[in-house]
Amino acid sequence: SQQGEEDPQALSIQEGENATMNCSYKTSINNLQWYRQNSGRGLVHLILIRSNEREKHSGRLRVTLDTSKKSSSLLITASRAADTASYFCATAGGSYIPTFGRGTSLIVHP
Amino acid sequence: SQTIHQWPATLVQPVGSPLSLECTVEGTSNPNLYWYRQAAGRGLQLLFYSVGIGQISSEVPQNLSASRPQDRQFILSSKKLLLSDSGFYLCAWGGQVAGNEQFFGPGTRLTVL
Repeated sequence: SQQGEEDPQALSIQEGENATMNCSYKTSINNLQWYRQNSGRGLVHLILIRSNEREKHSGRLRVTLDTSKKSSSLLITASRAADTASYFCATAGGSYIPTFGRGTSLIVHP
Repeated sequence: SQTIHQWPATLVQPVGSPLSLECTVEGTSNPNLYWYRQAAGRGLQLLFYSVGIGQISSEVPQNLSASRPQDRQFILSSKKLLLSDSGFYLCAWGGQVAGNEQFFGPGTRLTVL
């Protein structure tokens, strides 16, 4: 299955700390995406990294991709209480249809 | 800009009743459209996707069905709801026109009693 699995399932940190979430998958991919979901809302796309890329940045977000280990990480630097949400990775293969993991629940305490 | 609408926002239905959830997209043409279900505290399960009018692919066998009567309209239906159909239903559009990213609607919270 291409489904990504996020780790940890839950993460609790203090404001200002960095938050790191990991995603592992099993088959080759064309791209990997990270999404954010606030409670009871739809998902919001954060960043897409292609299989030939190793690192991407967007504001306080840094995503890495290691295709040899079939893993990705999402780093949120200098976290804020407003970053509290669930974060999902989604992998896409030949069909380019993303398959989502179960997510990491992040709580940032003010 | 593109926007995606879902309604209703919340729905409480008895077991055995029919279901119709609607999703419409504005500001884009020929999008790929998707229906997902999210159980409490879980990831997204892809239910159906469509690459064009009248073209529906089903990912999971169940008592739900989907239709795409217009380019930017995607409908999720059931003739008889089960308790296990409860969940958060999300519609999304995407595809190459969106750079392979997906854009999600606000979701419908369905409770089957």
